[in-house]
Amino acid sequence: KAGVTQTPRYLIKTRGQQVTLSCSPISGHRSVSWYQQTPGQGLQFLFEYFSETQRNKGNFPGRFSGRQFSNSRSEMNVSTLELGDSALYLCASSGNQRNTIYFGEGSWLTVV
Amino acid sequence: AQKVTQAQTEISVVEKEDVTLDCVYETRDTTYYLFWYKQPPSGELVFLIRRNSFDEQNEISGRYSWNFQKSTSSFNFTITASQVVDSAVYFCALSEAEAAGNKLTFGGGTRVLVKP
Repeated sequence: KAGVTQTPRYLIKTRGQQVTLSCSPISGHRSVSWYQQTPGQGLQFLFEYFSETQRNKGNFPGRFSGRQFSNSRSEMNVSTLELGDSALYLCASSGNQRNTIYFGEGSWLTVV
Repeated sequence: AQKVTQAQTEISVVEKEDVTLDCVYETRDTTYYLFWYKQPPSGELVFLIRRNSFDEQNEISGRYSWNFQKSTSSFNFTITASQVVDSAVYFCALSEAEAAGNKLTFGGGTRVLVKP
C-alpha cells in the first residue's frame, strides 16, 4: 500500500514568488492535513481538508491556502513568499476522524 | 488550549543503553488521543503509536514501550537496548476529540543520538 506522497521534495524560490505543493494521500483516505516545520517554531498545523472542504485551520496568514480535489489529492499554495516561509512542509492523511495519521516525506522549501 | 511539552531537547547514549523520552500534555477534553512519531534526517514523520485517553494499558512492541499515566498527564516512551538506527528526533503529539478533524498539537521534539 503506497504511503503519503508529496511533490516536489525540494525547491528553491525567490522572495515574492508563489509556490504550490502537492500531496497524494494513502488510497482510501479522505482527510489531508498540512503542517509547517521550522527550527524556531517547530511543527505547526496549517489546515485540514476532508471531502474537499476545509475542516480545520491553524493560525497562519491568508497567504497560505489549500484545496482538496475529488480524488482526495491536496495542494497547498503560499503566495508572496517571505524568507520566513523557508521550512519543511509535511502532509498527513487519515482514513477518518480519530484514525491514525500518517505523514509523507515532506517538501523542503527554501526562500532566497 | 492543548499543549504538549517535551522537556528533553537532546539525549545522547551509547548503543545498547535504554532511553526514556518524556512527554507531558495539557488538555481540557476528557477524550483525546496521544501519538509518538519518529523523524529521521530524511524528514518523514514515522508513526510509532497511538493511544486513546480511555485506554491506559501500557504497551510493549519489540524494543519500544510506552507508559501512559492520566493522573500525571504523561505519555512516556522508552527504547530498550538502543541501536544506532534509533538516532532521530522523536515527537509526542495530542489530538482532542472535541475538536473536529485530525489536528495534531506537537511537542518540541527530543533528539536522540545513539553512539556506537
